[in-house]
Amino acid sequence: DARVTQTPRDKVTEMGQEVTMRCQPILGHNTVFWYRQTMMQGLELLAYFRNRAPLDDSGMPKDRFSAEMPDATLATLKIQPSEPRDSAVYFCASGLVRGEGDNEQFFGPGTRLTVL
Amino acid sequence: AQSVTQLGSHVSVSEGALVLLRCNYSSSVPPYLFWYVQYPNQGLQLLLKYTTGATLVKGINGFEAEFKKSETSFHLTKPSAHMSDAAEYFCAVSGGSQGNLIFGKGTKLSVKP
Repeated sequence: DARVTQTPRDKVTEMGQEVTMRCQPILGHNTVFWYRQTMMQGLELLAYFRNRAPLDDSGMPKDRFSAEMPDATLATLKIQPSEPRDSAVYFCASGLVRGEGDNEQFFGPGTRLTVL
Repeated sequence: AQSVTQLGSHVSVSEGALVLLRCNYSSSVPPYLFWYVQYPNQGLQLLLKYTTGATLVKGINGFEAEFKKSETSFHLTKPSAHMSDAAEYFCAVSGGSQGNLIFGKGTKLSVKP
């Protein structure tokens, strides 16, 4: 049963610390998405990659956030330095995009980040 | 450009009652439409999707949705609510060849005993 995995599931850190969240997409999927979910803002798209290349990161605060795909089995989202307002649940999703519009996405369980 | 509007951020029904969650979309191309469900402390999972063909789409857990092009709607229904249906539901439309989905703001469904 193929699924998207994310680590860690929970992270509590102090303001100013670096946070790295990891995602393993489903094997064979060519597109990886990072989302952030908060009570106030709901679900926000931060960035996404196609075949490991960044396609759109316009939703991401550029000064402190960075996203990469070192290889096809790993996507990372880094926050440096972290701030209390970054507290949220971060979801990774992957999908096989073939251009015709059936862009079904498969979501991971999320990383719950708390910045004190 | 594509967009999705979900009417009602909270819907409350009694157990056994009809569930109706509303979704209207805007799309410059033939739409591909999705409903996702999010249970507490979990990620989103696909309930059902409309791609092409039959406009009445059946999904998991007894849910179904009907694509109505004339009304630009894709409402989600279930004849009889169960307590286990309490969750947040998201409607989404395909962003086209970019490969992304445009999500609505979600509707939280509560089911009263």
